Parts: sequence; structure tokens; C-alpha cells
Amino acid sequence: GQNIDQPTEMTATEGAIVQINCTYQTSGFNGLFWYQQHAGEAPTFLSYNVLDGLEEKGRFSSFLSRSKGYSYLLLKELQMKDSASYLCAVMDSNYQLIWGAGTKLIIKP
Amino acid sequence: TAGITQAPTSQILAAGRSMTLRCTQDMRHNAMYWYRQDLGLGLRLIHYSNTAGTTGKGEVPDGYSVSRANTDDFPLTLASAVPSQTSVYFCASSDSRASTDTQYFGPGTRLTVL
Repeated sequence: GQNIDQPTEMTATEGAIVQINCTYQTSGFNGLFWYQQHAGEAPTFLSYNVLDGLEEKGRFSSFLSRSKGYSYLLLKELQMKDSASYLCAVMDSNYQLIWGAGTKLIIKP
Repeated sequence: TAGITQAPTSQILAAGRSMTLRCTQDMRHNAMYWYRQDLGLGLRLIHYSNTAGTTGKGEVPDGYSVSRANTDDFPLTLASAVPSQTSVYFCASSDSRASTDTQYFGPGTRLTVL
């Protein structure tokens, strides 16, 4: 079966750095997505990786290793507004997204 | 632009009743999707449409039907609601011909079936 694993919950301090990991086992791979979802709101797109390596976008970076079936989302200079769930999703061989359950990130002052 | 809109925002429905959740996008995306999101689970695909006039079944299609008469609209119908269909429903769209095929989501419909 297809599976996306990410931690259920993480806590970090305002101004710090946090890394959210995602491991996957899917039938085929056509890219990995990270989304942010604030409570009661829709998921919003953060990043996309299809090749190995690091993609940087402001305070957020995303890393991919296809051989290890592994990705992480790195958030720097954490702000209170970063408190949200972060969803990892992989596009499989049928070009359908397989979603992880999400990581709830709690930021403390 | 509005992007993707969904209606209603929330609804309480008696078991056995039918209901249609509406979804409209103005981005001229060819592909549209319906997901449900339940606590502790990832988003699960109910139905999708790669282009107007075609639809396909996702991971959890039972009890739901869809139609795609035009590019903009993708309604989801529950013919006879059951309590297990209590969930938050998200509609999404994408330009599947683009290099990243990124999906963009509507605000969601919170449905409670009693």
C-alpha cells in the first residue's frame, strides 16, 4: 500500500528553527508537495520538490531525497503565525496526490 | 480573482436526506477534485475530473457522485447521507498540464450528518 508518515505534533519556540520530516512509500513518484493549513482553513501550497536537493523560499525550505523516500520542511525564524498543520503529499504514478495526516506545529513565545 | 468558492460553508443534514455541495473555480483549471478531511487522517480523494465531461473515482467514492458539465463547476452529491459522511469537504483544482500540477483549495464545507 501507499503510505506517508509525518509526526503528529511538534512544539517550537518563536524565533527558532524547526524541521518537519516526511517519509513516503508510494507506487511511483511525480513530485512531493508541502502545504500549510491553519485551523479551520483550507490547505495552502508552500513548496514542490521533484528533484533531489534543497528548495529555498524565504523562511521556508524543503528538501527531498528520492532514494531514501524522505523529505523535510525547514522553517526558520519562527513566528507565532506559523502555528498551523503542515501537510506532506506525494504525487504517485497515476498523478494522484497521496496525503500524510499532517504535523501540527505549536509555536510558544 | 475569487479562485475557488464552495457553498455552503457549513450544513447540518438529517440522515437519509440528499445534498449537493457546490464548487466553482474561475482559474480555467482543467482538473478538479473533491476531498474529505477527518481528524487524524490525511485528505482522502472522493472523486476527480481531469477535464469537463469526464470524472473518475478516488479512494473513497462510495455514497458520493459528481458531474462536470463545464470547466468551472464540480458539484458533489450525497444521495442519502449517513453519519459517517460527517466531515470537512474540500474542493480543489489544478492545471494538470503545468509542470508542477499544484492543487489549489476552496475554503471547505463542514458537513454534519445526524
